[in-house]
Amino acid sequence: EVQLVESGGGLVQPGRSLRLSCTASGFTFGDYAMSWVRQAPGKGLEWVGFIRSKAYGGTTEYAASVKGRFTISRDDSKSIAYLQMNSLKTEDTAVYYCTRESGNWYFDLWGRGTLVTVSS
Amino acid sequence: DIQMTQSPSSLSASVGDRVTITCRASQSISSYLNWYQQKPGKAPKLLIYAASSLQSGVPSRFSGSGSGTDFTLTISSLQPEDFATYYCQQSYSTPRITFGQGTRLEIK
Repeated sequence: EVQLVESGGGLVQPGRSLRLSCTASGFTFGDYAMSWVRQAPGKGLEWVGFIRSKAYGGTTEYAASVKGRFTISRDDSKSIAYLQMNSLKTEDTAVYYCTRESGNWYFDLWGRGTLVTVSS
Repeated sequence: DIQMTQSPSSLSASVGDRVTITCRASQSISSYLNWYQQKPGKAPKLLIYAASSLQSGVPSRFSGSGSGTDFTLTISSLQPEDFATYYCQQSYSTPRITFGQGTRLEIK
């Protein structure tokens, strides 16, 4: 089955760090760019960041709201994408979705999401 | 960043109705517009990409149109499973892609 499964969410204090994982199955993970999209409680969708496939350099892009604090990486041998979140703020509280990028900057496969709550 | 504005923000309709949701971009985005459906507690699902292309597996009652700054998502005959929130997303100004604020479609 083609799917993405996120893990690693939870409750964390402001200023601390958390790493999310996204495990892919059912497709050739290394062929695709991957993005993270988040959704604050009761709010809309916000693109967080993106990592290109190794064929396109494996480079990353980030939203201004997280640039310098969040880092996306990937391990193609394990079919996992990571979102390292540092210096967390209360406004980072959201469900974080891992998504597969189609090649044209739309997202054709989504995980179920993992909730990150930043609170003291 | 390009701002995406959806209208209406919420909409009540009945099973069998024809429904249209509008998305307007703050500048021209050609046909780089995508639509998603999200049901409560679930992940979004891609419906339409490149303004009018139907994603595989999506029922043909969904259609998209538009180019430039104005786009529409139409559901030709609402089914019970279509009550959800719909989001547009521009993929023109990459990597700074942006979503609309969402349109909540409710049962009348």
